[in-house]
Amino acid sequence: DGGITQSPKYLFRKEGQNVTLSCEQNLNHDAMYWYRQDPGQGLRLIYYSQIVNDFQKGDIAEGYSVSREKKESFPLTVTSAQKNPTAFYLCASSTQGSGEQFFGPGTRLTVL
Amino acid sequence: AQKVTQAQTEISVVEKEDVTLDCVYETRDTTYYLFWYKQPPSGELVFLIRRNSFDEQNEISGRYSWNFQKSTSSFNFTITASQVVDSAVYFCALSESMYSGGGADGLTFGKGTHLIIQP
Repeated sequence: DGGITQSPKYLFRKEGQNVTLSCEQNLNHDAMYWYRQDPGQGLRLIYYSQIVNDFQKGDIAEGYSVSREKKESFPLTVTSAQKNPTAFYLCASSTQGSGEQFFGPGTRLTVL
Repeated sequence: AQKVTQAQTEISVVEKEDVTLDCVYETRDTTYYLFWYKQPPSGELVFLIRRNSFDEQNEISGRYSWNFQKSTSSFNFTITASQVVDSAVYFCALSESMYSGGGADGLTFGKGTHLIIQP
């Protein structure tokens, strides 16, 4: 089955630790995205990548980092510099020109 | 800068009633794309529709319909004869990207409308 997988579904982290969220897609999509969702809020764009080995900052990139070494993978690292990391993180992908973004099931990160 | 406003934070109706979710957007571009997504309790976003700024025709898909009016910068979503399974958070989103198809640079989302359909 084609789709986007995110792991883990729930993640707990101690304050001051870096943590990496996984996002994998087998849809052969060129573009991938990371969004953050807070309770009662819409999604906000963290980073996006339109092609391998290239990525761009979104609206709230501070405290986050990404890599895009493979077309199918776009991991997000939440660093200790992110002051309020507890949130629901959603990964998405799309083909160039389609406009429609397909979303993964999300990772809920809680900082203890 | 682009912005999407969904003024209705929460709507509660009884099953079989019709319900309209409002979406108002702001953009400086003449070419843009509008989207609606559904987020059920599981959390995963489900794509419902994409509309480009040059196509103002209303669209109907089963019980769902969308009304796009450039004059009022609105892209409203109506569910006819609502069902309990329609309960979810619905997001309206905008892309100003000129890249064909829109969305290549990411989407700007509204805060969402939580729709509750009571049996």
